[in-house]
Amino acid sequence: NAGVTQTPKFQVLKTGQSMTLQCAQDMNHNSMYWYRQDPGMGLRLIYYSASEGTTDKGEVPNGYNVSRLNKREFSLRLESAAPSQTSVYFCASSGLPGQGSNEQFFGPGTRLTVL
Amino acid sequence: GENVEQHPSTLSVQEGDSAVIKCTYSDSASNYFPWYKQELGKRPQLIIDIRSNVGEKKDQRIAVTLNKTAKHFSLHITETQPEDSAVYFCAASIRGANNLFFGTGTRLTVIP
Repeated sequence: NAGVTQTPKFQVLKTGQSMTLQCAQDMNHNSMYWYRQDPGMGLRLIYYSASEGTTDKGEVPNGYNVSRLNKREFSLRLESAAPSQTSVYFCASSGLPGQGSNEQFFGPGTRLTVL
Repeated sequence: GENVEQHPSTLSVQEGDSAVIKCTYSDSASNYFPWYKQELGKRPQLIIDIRSNVGEKKDQRIAVTLNKTAKHFSLHITETQPEDSAVYFCAASIRGANNLFFGTGTRLTVIP
C-alpha cells in the first residue's frame, strides 16, 4: 500500500517548456487534488477532481491543466512553463466511498524550478 | 470562497512549555477544521481535526478548540518536545465540499 505517489521528485525546466506531473493513489479515494506550496503562502489549490470524470478549478488554476485519467491517477500539465510556476507541487487524495471523510493524504511532492 | 488566517507565523518555545496557534475563518458554512504538520522537506500530515458539532478535541498532548460564533479555532500542544518542531497548517472546509482552504502556516521551534 503505497498511498499517494508522485513523479518526478525534482524537475528543472526552461521558460516555455511543457511538462506533466503524475500522481497516483491506491486507497480507492474518490477525490484528488493538486496544490502548490510557496514560502509564506501555505498550500494553494490549483485544481481538484471530486470524482472520476470531473475536474474543477481551485484558487490558482491559470497556466495549468489537469486530467483525471481514472480513479487512481490525476495528472497536472504545464503547457508553457513560467518562472512564477517555480514551486513545490503536492498531490493529495481523500474520500473513501460512503464514508464522507474529509482527511486528505498527501504525496511526497515535486520540486519544480523554471529558469 | 473561504479565507483562513493563521497566527503567529513563527513561534519559539522552550521544551516542556505549551504552544498555541490560532486560526480564523470567514465562511460560516465551514464545518471541518483539520491541522496538518509538515516537517522540513516532507509532506503535510494530519495530526488532529475537529468538526463544527464539537467544541474541543484532544489526542494526548494535542488539542484543538473551536469557537463557531467567533469563527476561530486553535491548536494547543502541551509539554512540547524537540520533535514537535515543524510547520503547522490549519485549514477549513465548507459543508458539502471536499476542498480545504489552508492558512499560511506557523513555524514552531522547540528549544531544548
